[in-house]
Amino acid sequence: DIQMTQSPSSLSASVGDRVTITCQASQDISNYLNWYQQKPGKAPKLLIYDASNLETGVPSRFSGSGSGTDFSFTIGSLQPEDIATYYCQHYHNLPPLTFGGGTKVEIK
Amino acid sequence: QGQLEESGGGVVQPGRSLRLSCAASGFTFTNYAMHWVRQAPGKGLEWVAVTSYDGSNRYLADSVKGRFTISRDNSENTLYLQMNSLRADDTAVYYCARGRGYCGGGRCYFYGMDVWGQGTTVTVS
Repeated sequence: DIQMTQSPSSLSASVGDRVTITCQASQDISNYLNWYQQKPGKAPKLLIYDASNLETGVPSRFSGSGSGTDFSFTIGSLQPEDIATYYCQHYHNLPPLTFGGGTKVEIK
Repeated sequence: QGQLEESGGGVVQPGRSLRLSCAASGFTFTNYAMHWVRQAPGKGLEWVAVTSYDGSNRYLADSVKGRFTISRDNSENTLYLQMNSLRADDTAVYYCARGRGYCGGGRCYFYGMDVWGQGTTVTVS
């Protein structure tokens, strides 16, 4: 099975900062990667699919890039409402559709 | 956009069974794959199971294989997760989610989840 390694596991940044999270796959997954946001006590929400495509209605300060095994997710200017845990997930080939371990984003 | 509502969670003793349901509305249920994803207290997301739009292709995580079964009733727009031989480490919030992807050429391609329910809590104790 493909393993997804996310880093860092948590970070603290100031409002307006640029924040970047990385996700590494244990094998080539092309661009078959999603990014989700989960706010405390809520269900996850799909933000980015196919590694770099923004889901409809998601603010443009969120972006994703990468292919193969190395991916990144960026919040261009951190806002208070972005406090959440972010997960990557691959969908290459057959299930399991493994999630990364998550990155908890907090405001400094 | 669609809505999903899980039910059936609760407190159950180890070794017992539980069946979760997920009622779908606001979209054409028969057009979509459906997933179950769980989250243990204070932990990350764990994919559990997926069924194709017609139930013909079903996959389970290794951690639940042989104990859980995913199924769907397209006439009732409902997804199920039958959980047998429950263990303490099955304790989690269980989410159902609508899947993206398609079936063709004799196989199905599952691309992740775009609509999620609010979850139902299962406690094995």
